[in-house]
Amino acid sequence: GAVVSQHPSRVICKSGTSVKIECRSLDFQATTMFWYRQFPKQSLMLMATSNEGSKATYEQGVEKDKFLINHASLTLSTLTVTSAHPEDSSFYICSARTGIRGTNEKLFFGSGTQLSVL
Amino acid sequence: AQTVTQSQPEMSVQEAETVTLSCTYDTSENNYYLFWYKQPPSRQMILVIRQEAYKQQNATENRFSVNFQKAAKSFSLKISDSQLGDTAMYFCAFMGDEAGGTSYGKLTFGQGTILTVHP
Repeated sequence: GAVVSQHPSRVICKSGTSVKIECRSLDFQATTMFWYRQFPKQSLMLMATSNEGSKATYEQGVEKDKFLINHASLTLSTLTVTSAHPEDSSFYICSARTGIRGTNEKLFFGSGTQLSVL
Repeated sequence: AQTVTQSQPEMSVQEAETVTLSCTYDTSENNYYLFWYKQPPSRQMILVIRQEAYKQQNATENRFSVNFQKAAKSFSLKISDSQLGDTAMYFCAFMGDEAGGTSYGKLTFGQGTILTVHP
């Protein structure tokens, strides 16, 4: 089946540094990728939608300058948390969409990245 | 904006028994999809079942079935013959299917229900 690879699975960084998370579709082309944030025992909150070759669309309340999203190819999207602070510590999950809407569209999730900012 | 509400933060069931998880949603759209996702301790999101709003027939996937009541905006999940491996957090989710709508192609999740299956 289709696989979405997300790396790293866990990262610990110092406050003020930047962290990049990769989301890669391994055996399909993903025209759209989504980035979510999840706090412990809470729901997934959509942060942004990225389409290959265009600027990401951010949800209300998400700082675009802090959470930089790049979707340079049909198989790779990256999320960079810039100048990370302890409150950015969270579980980040990507998902990738493939197929044609209304027919064979499917959505696949990465395995997530636990970010801990000290 | 669409909202999805799961009113049961935690549920428990004995192995081999049946359990029903509740979900209600609010939308002004007529075309949409509803989903149940499972998130086990590994935190990998796993699709359990999917329902197209235009279909009156309730979706089923082996031991999992839904009760979709469109007028009441209700979408409950029934797990039959519960197994220890069903222990996980379950999320109900909505995705709009109307081009130009604010939720078009995007998932909105409920708060989640932690299900524990006891031996």
